[in-house]
Amino acid sequence: NAGVTQTPKFQVLKTGQSMTLQCAQDMNHEYMSWYRQDPGMGLRLIHYSVGAGITDQGEVPNGYNVSRSTTEDFPLRLLSAAPSQTSVYFCASKTPHNYGYTFGSGTRLTVV
Amino acid sequence: KQEVTQIPAALSVPEGENLVLNCSFTDSAIYNLQWFRQDPGKGLTSLLLIQSSQREQTSGRLNASLDKSSGRSTLYIAASQPGDSATYLCAARGSNYKLTFGKGTLLTVNP
Repeated sequence: NAGVTQTPKFQVLKTGQSMTLQCAQDMNHEYMSWYRQDPGMGLRLIHYSVGAGITDQGEVPNGYNVSRSTTEDFPLRLLSAAPSQTSVYFCASKTPHNYGYTFGSGTRLTVV
Repeated sequence: KQEVTQIPAALSVPEGENLVLNCSFTDSAIYNLQWFRQDPGKGLTSLLLIQSSQREQTSGRLNASLDKSSGRSTLYIAASQPGDSATYLCAARGSNYKLTFGKGTLLTVNP
């Protein structure tokens, strides 16, 4: 198993550009989520999904869209990037059972 | 709303010392609590998971305890090594699968 795979690892965007951060897991986990990590703020939940076709907002959803068409993939879309979205983004997944989360290695995004 | 606090924010110890990292949470209605390690510029590595019905979990030199009634968890590291230097994060899982993280403790173990 590759676990949770995030691409790209690094990205620089100009203000107003759009992009998609990819997240894929091969563990057949139903639950997937996106977090952003900022200095002094810790990790905050952006969006999450409890299964294919089901998504919901987390703590800081504004400026981000998600979809979940398959169990394996949970992409995060930035429609019009802003400097405030400069952050490190982590994708995580888990089974419905009472087990822990597995995190990807992160995407470091800079918006200039 | 769940809030998770980690104390201290930073800790520097000499090699070989035993140490305790603290994590407190405001809502005791958690399903489990998970401790992670994060190296600079890297992702999160799961260290220990304690279910709400458990009091402690052990893995090698690491021991994590959980006291739901008081809203506290501790991570005990025995015989610390320079390779233990990292940021340690605790996260509480609520009934909606969401994790609430503390801001972490930056641990430095000096040779």
